Amino acid sequence: KAGVTQTPRYLIKTRGQQVTLSCSPISGHRSVSWYQQTPGQGLQFLFEYFSETQRNKGNFPGRFSGRQFSNSRSEMNVSTLELGDSALYLCASSYNDPYEKLFFGSGTQLSVL
Amino acid sequence: AQSVTQPDIHITVSEGASLELRCNYSYGATPYLFWYVQSPGQGLQLLLKYFSGDTLVQGIKGFEAEFKTSQSSFNLRKPSVHWSDAAEYFCASSPNAGNNRKLIWGLGTSLAVNP
Repeated sequence: KAGVTQTPRYLIKTRGQQVTLSCSPISGHRSVSWYQQTPGQGLQFLFEYFSETQRNKGNFPGRFSGRQFSNSRSEMNVSTLELGDSALYLCASSYNDPYEKLFFGSGTQLSVL
Repeated sequence: AQSVTQPDIHITVSEGASLELRCNYSYGATPYLFWYVQSPGQGLQLLLKYFSGDTLVQGIKGFEAEFKTSQSSFNLRKPSVHWSDAAEYFCASSPNAGNNRKLIWGLGTSLAVNP
């Protein structure tokens, strides 16, 4: 069974641009969660999608948004990038409930210059 | 507000030595508790979790953790560390009820293993 796939693996953007990250969950998993990981703040929850609906949301500004498609694939978008958005963005999937077991992708490393 | 504290930022142990990584949580009731490991270049992997019942939880790779409500702790242990255990370890917790349950993560403990 293929694991969680995130693309691209690395991204370099400049301030003010926008970016879209993609996540393909494990086949059969319907819940997809997104996290931002930085050395100073650790892992911070962005949002969780289940069956194309946002089920939970963290404390991030509206520049961070996401969506989930009918095949459970998910995308997250960050608009008007700021230097502080530089981070590793992790996607995790689970069958139903993210509090049972999360399967993480390797992440997308975003650098904002 | 709910929080998770991992007091040790970095720990170094010798191969074959025992290991204990500390985790303290702050929550009004018994939360769900997790330990994940992040190896270099790899995604996070669940080691073990506690929802209820027996307070000593067995996980993968020979790890175990003990939930102590009196100390609000969920420390991770391994009796004999292998060089391949060098990684970043994260403790996480979530409320066990309610509609707004989110995983709250500690900042992690980096484990180095000396040969």
